[in-house]
Amino acid sequence: NAGVTQTPKFRVLKTGQSMTLLCAQDMNHEYMYWYRQDPGMGLRLIHYSVGEGTTAKGEVPDGYNVSRLKKQNFLLGLESAAPSQTSVYFCASSYTRRDGSTEAFFGQGTRLTVV
Amino acid sequence: KQEVTQIPAALSVPEGENLVLNCSFTDSAIYNLQWFRQDPGKGLTSLLLIQSSQREQTSGRLNASLDKSSGRSTLYIAASQPGDSATYLCAVNPLVDSSYKLIFGSGTRLLVRP
Repeated sequence: NAGVTQTPKFRVLKTGQSMTLLCAQDMNHEYMYWYRQDPGMGLRLIHYSVGEGTTAKGEVPDGYNVSRLKKQNFLLGLESAAPSQTSVYFCASSYTRRDGSTEAFFGQGTRLTVV
Repeated sequence: KQEVTQIPAALSVPEGENLVLNCSFTDSAIYNLQWFRQDPGKGLTSLLLIQSSQREQTSGRLNASLDKSSGRSTLYIAASQPGDSATYLCAVNPLVDSSYKLIFGSGTRLLVRP
């Protein structure tokens, strides 16, 4: 009953370093998303995917890249970390219910600090 | 562009009080609206989902209403408990595209005092 799992949970990076955040879901959902949460700003969409092999930009995509090589995994990469990318990152997946509505499920988050 | 607003940003109430959290959105063209709870340092837990054609949903002490035409939703919490202390977020799925992405409000931070 894992749901959406994010790895790692915490990370400290130096400016200019790179890293990859991994998101895995075991619910066979088509749609996956990466959000960042900053104080007072709610959650903002970075990138999303509507299916295996597809990705698209969200509201705040600059400085990030993503890949969806397998349906269950959605990777978020930071090529050259900047202090402005200090945030809490959430992965989500969603599916369309029989009634036509869509329901989203979230991971526990990754707290990233860039110094 | 869809915008979601939650007022107030923070709320403190004594235990046992009934309370209402507000959510407003600027574009009524939505698939559905979802209310989430977030505990400090944790992820988001889905509380209630209301389809665009529905008026309300209930789960235990929680009741969420939706007035799509006026762009408003409320989350009613009955007989509040200290364990209800958390941040409550509302989010909408806009109809503009098929990605089903969520647009979030900034949340209401609730403190229920014993």
